[in-house]
Amino acid sequence: AQSVTQPDIHITVSEGASLELRCNYSYGATPYLFWYVQSPGQGLQLLLKYFSGDTLVQGIKGFEAEFKRSQSSFNLRKPSVHWSDAAEYFCAVGGEQAGTALIFGKGTTLSVSS
Amino acid sequence: GAGVSQSPSNKVTEKGKDVELRCDPISGHTALYWYRQSLGQGLEFLIYFQGNSAPDKSGLPSDRFSAERTGGSVSTLTIQRTQQEDSAVYLCASSFSTDTEAFFGQGTRLTVV
Repeated sequence: AQSVTQPDIHITVSEGASLELRCNYSYGATPYLFWYVQSPGQGLQLLLKYFSGDTLVQGIKGFEAEFKRSQSSFNLRKPSVHWSDAAEYFCAVGGEQAGTALIFGKGTTLSVSS
Repeated sequence: GAGVSQSPSNKVTEKGKDVELRCDPISGHTALYWYRQSLGQGLEFLIYFQGNSAPDKSGLPSDRFSAERTGGSVSTLTIQRTQQEDSAVYLCASSFSTDTEAFFGQGTRLTVV
């Protein structure tokens, strides 16, 4: 069965600084990888996804993520963080095999300091 | 419908009672997921439906939890003999398939007193 690890429970970044949120996955076949964001009191919104092709994917709100198969990682990055980016971020893995569920990590809470 | 709809939005129940949580997915979405979100626990996977069948029930925490989906559409998550540790937000999501975006409902906040 697939699994996702987000090693950082909570990260604080200064406004304007760069951001990297880590995600490691485990899956025996080709993974489908996602990053979702949940703002306080809001539902989950998809930031970006990777299925195949270019390993660097662009998402909404200036986010990008890079798939590294050799490291089983799919880290989320943003060059300059805004105060409105404060939220909880979830990495998720699905897969090409029939019947593969979408499994989420425990999330990383991002705080932005001024 | 326009989005994934969950009902009720809030449910307070007494310990030992049964509860039913409902999910109306986006029309045409064949994949449907149930998750549980507790503080510090992220999104705990419960069960996944493809059409009316459930290829993966591995996340159901105990035999008190069950779910069904009828007509490839509406799904119901049932918790029997509720316990205080069942208190959480229960989220439903749907997608066209497992390789497309999953859309989430606003959740049902369950409180067991």
